[in-house]
Amino acid sequence: DIQMTQSPASLSASLGETVTIECRASEDIYSNLAWYQQKPGNSPQLLIYDANSLADGVPSRFSGSGSGTQYSLKINSLQSEDVASYFCQQYNNYPTFGSGTKLEIK
Amino acid sequence: EVQLVESGGGLVQPGASLKLSCVASGFTFSDYWMSWVRQTPGKTMEWIGDIKYDGSYTNYAPSLKNRFTISRDNAKSTLYLQMSNVRSEDTATYYCTRPSLGFDYWGQGVMVTVSS
Repeated sequence: DIQMTQSPASLSASLGETVTIECRASEDIYSNLAWYQQKPGNSPQLLIYDANSLADGVPSRFSGSGSGTQYSLKINSLQSEDVASYFCQQYNNYPTFGSGTKLEIK
Repeated sequence: EVQLVESGGGLVQPGASLKLSCVASGFTFSDYWMSWVRQTPGKTMEWIGDIKYDGSYTNYAPSLKNRFTISRDNAKSTLYLQMSNVRSEDTATYYCTRPSLGFDYWGQGVMVTVSS
């Protein structure tokens, strides 16, 4: 199976800052990558698919990039409502997930 | 509005069986593959498997293939997960999801606790 290594495990940033979360796949996943946001007590919500396409209704301050085995999620102008855990997931083979990043406001 | 509503969770003893259900609404259920994903108390996410829109084909995570069975009833817009010989490591929140370039819709989840 394809291993997804996500970093950092936790992140603390100030309102208005830009933050970046990284995911590395154990093999080339050809941009078959999604990012999710999970707020406390809620189900995950799709943010990004195909590595860089914004899902419906997702604010444009979220963006995804990468190719091959290296991918990242960037959040510009951090807002209080962005406090959540973020997960990457590849779907090039049977789906596997990163271990998650917990984002807090400093 | 797409809705996925899971049920059937609870406390179950090791070695027992349990069947989860997921009722779908807001889209044509019989047009879509469907999946189950679980999240452990430590927040690790694991794909369990999926089923073709007509129920004719299933895929499973290799580690779960022999104990979990996914099925569906398109007439009832319902997805099922049959869990057998459950173990403590099956303790998790189980989500019904719709795979579509990632998983575009998720249910609210149902908790399963395996303990004696």
